Amino acid sequence: GENVEQHPSTLSVQEGDSAVIKCTYSDSASNYFPWYKQELGKGPQLIIDIRSNVGEKKDQRIAVTLNKTAKHFSLHITETQPEDSAVYFCAANDHTGGFKTIFGAGTRLFVKA
Amino acid sequence: NAGVMQNPRHLVRRRGQEARLRCSPVKGHSHVYWYRQLPEEGLKFMVYLQKENIIDESGMPKERFSAEFPKEGPSILRIQQVVRGDSAAYFCASSPPELGGTDTQYFGPGTRLTVL
Repeated sequence: GENVEQHPSTLSVQEGDSAVIKCTYSDSASNYFPWYKQELGKGPQLIIDIRSNVGEKKDQRIAVTLNKTAKHFSLHITETQPEDSAVYFCAANDHTGGFKTIFGAGTRLFVKA
Repeated sequence: NAGVMQNPRHLVRRRGQEARLRCSPVKGHSHVYWYRQLPEEGLKFMVYLQKENIIDESGMPKERFSAEFPKEGPSILRIQQVVRGDSAAYFCASSPPELGGTDTQYFGPGTRLTVL
């Protein structure tokens, strides 16, 4: 089945700087890669996703890139703001034996004002 | 539009009791997924259900755990004879029927289970 690795586990940036979170996956059959933001005490919220037929997708300050050959994908947040502080999870779908989403371990992002 | 709803938000049980967690998907969604999250960890897939069917339960412990999604009413995750190790946040997600089981999932706020 699919395995997703995520780095770094903690990231601290100054307000206005960029933040980059990287993930790798193991199953070349995976074709859907969502990113979720989770604030304290809340459920994960989808912030952006990318499918394997594109290499990059952007939504305002957030962008995601996908390298299918290397099996890695990254989240880029530009002009970070204190309200971006949260835990971010990457994920990949897994077709083995059914339908499921496999999550990375998460990155705790701190944006210092 | 109402999102995914879960209740209760917090549940306290003593060892050996039963825990029953409920999830109402987004209106019109027919796919439901349950995940477990331990403190400081990512979400672990437990089970994927469609109406009246369990599609994939590969992430669910073989004993004490069961899930259902009846034709009418919410999806239920049931944990019998709870132990302290069951303490975690349990999240439900749903996705619409036309996009299939691997597409965008919308998460509820979670139920935080504490076993004393």
